[in-house]
Amino acid sequence: AQSVTQLDSQVPVFEEAPVELRCNYSSSVSVYLFWYVQYPNQGLQLLLKYLSGSTLVKGINGFEAEFNKSQTSFHLRKPSVHISDTAEYFCVVSDVAGRRALTFGSGTRLQVQP
Amino acid sequence: DVKVTQSSRYLVKRTGEKVFLECVQDMDHENMFWYRQDPGLGLRLIYFSYDVKMKEKGDIPEGYSVSREKKERFSLILESASTNQTSMYLCASSLGGQPKFGNGTRLTVT
Repeated sequence: AQSVTQLDSQVPVFEEAPVELRCNYSSSVSVYLFWYVQYPNQGLQLLLKYLSGSTLVKGINGFEAEFNKSQTSFHLRKPSVHISDTAEYFCVVSDVAGRRALTFGSGTRLQVQP
Repeated sequence: DVKVTQSSRYLVKRTGEKVFLECVQDMDHENMFWYRQDPGLGLRLIYFSYDVKMKEKGDIPEGYSVSREKKERFSLILESASTNQTSMYLCASSLGGQPKFGNGTRLTVT
């Protein structure tokens, strides 16, 4: 079985401040890792993904994440947030073989304040 | 542009009705999934399928069934809709790599 834990349900932050959204996972097999963003009243949009290779992955809108296999973490970071980054962020795990379902974290609501 | 298409964006049904939610993907993906999204609960897996005519229960399958007669189509069926099935339903497909999501169907059961 695999599971995903997003450690913070809400993260309030001021505009232009750095932010880190935390994600830990557990799995008995090799995994792919993703971060998705959902803006208010919109669908899920891929921010970035880790499939293999470099453990630091860069995504859209200035976000990046680092895969840490020993700590089974995949934290999302941005050095300077904008008001427009206000959204819900989901960490997602998929087994490499694709034979198990995508597992979602419970989500982190990022609230950027002026 | 490759896509996952959910047949309805909004749907209103009455308690006890049989409801069909349709999802079609054009990427020849083997794996397809149905989730429901509720405030404070994130996305919860209802059913998934990794091949035609194959299905596996997810975390909350009660009150739902699925059908996958063709590779590109994965249907979610509410046998007898109840008010607690009012939710946003999301379909996704994948081929072991990046999952692709539909835009969702917001179902209201009155």
